[in-house]
Amino acid sequence: QKEVEQNSGPLSVPEGAIASLNCTYSDRGSQSFFWYRQYSGKSPELIMSIYSNGDKEDGRFTAQLNKASQYVSLLIRDSQPSDSATYLCAVLEGIYGGSQGNLIFGKGTKLSVKP
Amino acid sequence: GAGVSQSPSNKVTEKGKDVELRCDPISGHTALYWYRQSLGQGLEFLIYFQGNSAPDKSGLPSDRFSAERTGGSVSTLTIQRTQQEDSAVYLCASSVRLAGELFFGEGSRLTVL
Repeated sequence: QKEVEQNSGPLSVPEGAIASLNCTYSDRGSQSFFWYRQYSGKSPELIMSIYSNGDKEDGRFTAQLNKASQYVSLLIRDSQPSDSATYLCAVLEGIYGGSQGNLIFGKGTKLSVKP
Repeated sequence: GAGVSQSPSNKVTEKGKDVELRCDPISGHTALYWYRQSLGQGLEFLIYFQGNSAPDKSGLPSDRFSAERTGGSVSTLTIQRTQQEDSAVYLCASSVRLAGELFFGEGSRLTVL
């Protein structure tokens, strides 16, 4: 069974620090990777997508992908209390036989940024 | 509307009753997903529709669950003979050109007494 693994946390960092969130996945055929943020009581919202090995930066967020190690990470620089949320890693299943893959979510890492 | 719309936002039902949950995706989005999220848990995939292709039903937990998508737009998730373990937030999401970039609705919270 294809899996996406995350440390459930909680991960606690002081305001202004770098928060590092990690994710591993089992499907070697996966090519597309996503980070969603979910505030308590709210629905997930997409914050980053990454498709190629290396780093992708968007403002204070950097996504990192290493397909050989089947590893995805999200770095949040200058963390703010408003970043406190659960961060969900999602992996699009590899496409086999022309069928569209499913998007599989990890259970999420809860981040708490302390003022 | 601008976003994914789900109804009802809250549903309380008695064990054994049937429920229907509705999702109206963003106009023009061809893919529609249903997920379930129990308290403090991750997102559990239920079913996926893509255009006119046959839906991927591999996540439906039992034959009490079914879903349809009419005219490539609105979708209804039906749970028959509800059980207490069906209590969860049911999330619908849609996407356009890139699979994986989903826009979620606010969810339907189902409580089975």
